[in-house]
Amino acid sequence: EIVLTQSPATQSLSPGERATLSCGASQSVSRNYLAWYQQKPGLAPRLLISDASSRATGIPDRFSGSGSGTDFTLTISRLEPEDFAVYYCQQYGSSPWTFGQGTKVEIK
Amino acid sequence: EVQLLESGGGLTQPGGSLRLSCEASGFSFNSYAMSWVRQAPGKGLEWVSAISSSGGTTYYAESVTGRFTISRDNPKNTVSLQMNSLRAEDTAVYYCVKDLGWLLFRGAFDVWGRGTMVSVSS
Repeated sequence: EIVLTQSPATQSLSPGERATLSCGASQSVSRNYLAWYQQKPGLAPRLLISDASSRATGIPDRFSGSGSGTDFTLTISRLEPEDFAVYYCQQYGSSPWTFGQGTKVEIK
Repeated sequence: EVQLLESGGGLTQPGGSLRLSCEASGFSFNSYAMSWVRQAPGKGLEWVSAISSSGGTTYYAESVTGRFTISRDNPKNTVSLQMNSLRAEDTAVYYCVKDLGWLLFRGAFDVWGRGTMVSVSS
């Protein structure tokens, strides 16, 4: 099983700042099958990025994904008030599909 | 509008059973694999089980293998999760999710239901 480790656990930032979230895998993620999700309190997660860098339908271009192998990054170029949430990475290159433990982006 | 609506959650005792259902609408249900993902209170996400678009192939997380069974009824646009021998650690919100891939497993999920709460406690 591939273990995903997200860092930092919490990131305190102000609106307009840049957020950089990391996701490290215990083994190389096959075909860079890595997704990012956003979850707000009381709501279901929402797909942001698939295949490491492909934005999902309707996702603003301030969200971008990068990386390959074992190191992946989600960047939010300029934080909007609605971006403060928990973000999860997920690998789907190997069974079982696994999630990271999440990074909370909170208002500073 | 693409939508997934779960039902069937509730409170049960350890060793009990529950059956979750998910009704899909707004997309070609029989063309997509479906999964269940759960989230324990205050915790992260855990993939539980997946079923192919035809229903012929199923996968399970090790933590539920032998206790949970996933199935689907394509004419009725529904996917179900039969949960037996429930344990306290199965307590979670269970989300029904649509796979991103058309006619194949991708393992990324582009549509999520609102979730249904399952509580296992004596």
